[in-house]
Amino acid sequence: KNEVEQSPQNLTAQEGEFITINCSYSVGISALHWLQQHPGGGIVSLFMLSSGKKKHGRLIATINIQEKHSSLHITASHPRDSAVYICAVYYLGETSGSRLTFGEGTQLTVNP
Amino acid sequence: DAMVIQNPRYQVTQFGKPVTLSCSQTLNHNVMYWYQQKSSQAPKLLFHYYDKDFNNEADTPDNFQSRRPNTSFCFLDIRSPGLGDAAMYLCATSRGAGNEQFFGPGTRLTVL
Repeated sequence: KNEVEQSPQNLTAQEGEFITINCSYSVGISALHWLQQHPGGGIVSLFMLSSGKKKHGRLIATINIQEKHSSLHITASHPRDSAVYICAVYYLGETSGSRLTFGEGTQLTVNP
Repeated sequence: DAMVIQNPRYQVTQFGKPVTLSCSQTLNHNVMYWYQQKSSQAPKLLFHYYDKDFNNEADTPDNFQSRRPNTSFCFLDIRSPGLGDAAMYLCATSRGAGNEQFFGPGTRLTVL
């Protein structure tokens, strides 16, 4: 079974800290999504990447295709960053090409 | 701003009483998805449309149906809601298969 594993499951940080959330997957993918979900809210797409690195504001996402691993970094964390961060991938060979496999999410809490 | 809109945001229905959730998009994306998300779980894909082609997930109950009358709108019909169908229902869109998905704010369904 193709799986997506995230670590840590829960993360508590102090405002201003540098945060890293990790995602690993089992077989070849065509692309990887980082998503953000606030409590009781909808999902926001942060990044989609298939190689290298992307940066948007204080958020940085990297992916290593050979190691089947991606990281999401948050610099200068703020309490408003508190949310669940979800890694999701498009596995190669999915019959419809449209099915994301989701990780279980990382609950981030940033304290003031 | 181009977006994915879901109505209503909160829906309360009675056990067995049919309910329809709606999704509209101004992104002109050809793929639309419906997900079910229960508390503290990853979203679960129910079905998706690639243009007019309907793709049902193998484990989606028959109780769930969908309609896509045009590119912009997609509906989720739950014919006889059970208590286990209480969840957040998320609509998403993408331009083509395997591309970045954009999510709506979700509809939280309560079944009494």
